[in-house]
Amino acid sequence: AQSVTQLDSQVPVFEEAPVELRCNYSSSVSVYLFWYVQYPNQGLQLLLKYLSGSTLVKGINGFEAEFNKSQTSFHLRKPSVHISDTAEYFCAVSDRRAGSYQLTFGKGTKLSVIP
Amino acid sequence: DAGVTQSPTHLIKTRGQHVTLRCSPISGHKSVSWYQQVLGQGPQFIFQYYEKEERGRGNFPDRFSARQFPNYSSELNVNALLLGDSALYLCASSLGQGREAFFGQGTRLTVV
Repeated sequence: AQSVTQLDSQVPVFEEAPVELRCNYSSSVSVYLFWYVQYPNQGLQLLLKYLSGSTLVKGINGFEAEFNKSQTSFHLRKPSVHISDTAEYFCAVSDRRAGSYQLTFGKGTKLSVIP
Repeated sequence: DAGVTQSPTHLIKTRGQHVTLRCSPISGHKSVSWYQQVLGQGPQFIFQYYEKEERGRGNFPDRFSARQFPNYSSELNVNALLLGDSALYLCASSLGQGREAFFGQGTRLTVV
């Protein structure tokens, strides 16, 4: 079974400051890793994904994440946030076994950017 | 190109009623998944279909069922609605395993 822990339920940060949203996962098999963003009353939009290769992954809107296999972490970072980044962010995993597509999500981290 | 479309966007039902939610995937996508997102929580996996076959089922009661049609669209059915079924129901489509899942805007179901 897989599980995802997002260590912070809420993160307030001032505009133009850096931010890190933390994600740890637990799985008995190799996984794919994803970060999604959800704006109020909307569906989920993919920010970035790790499938294989370089452990530093760059996504949209200036976000990046680093896969650390030894620490089973996939933390999301942005060097300078904007007001428009205020949203809820979800970390998700799916395993690599053939035929398995299910995404397991964390509980989410609400990012509030303060002007 | 149209994204994942879900209908209806909002729905109010009474306890004990039945509901059908619909999802049209992105053209060319053969995989459709359903998720339930209760307020303040992350999405929970309900079902996944690929090429019209059920490929995964989450920990939900038998009141929940789904199917995928030859055109790859999908329906999620919930019988005997409970107040706890109130949630945002999200549909996602993808090309296949390990590929990006694209989510629709969701159907907000309120059970009163």
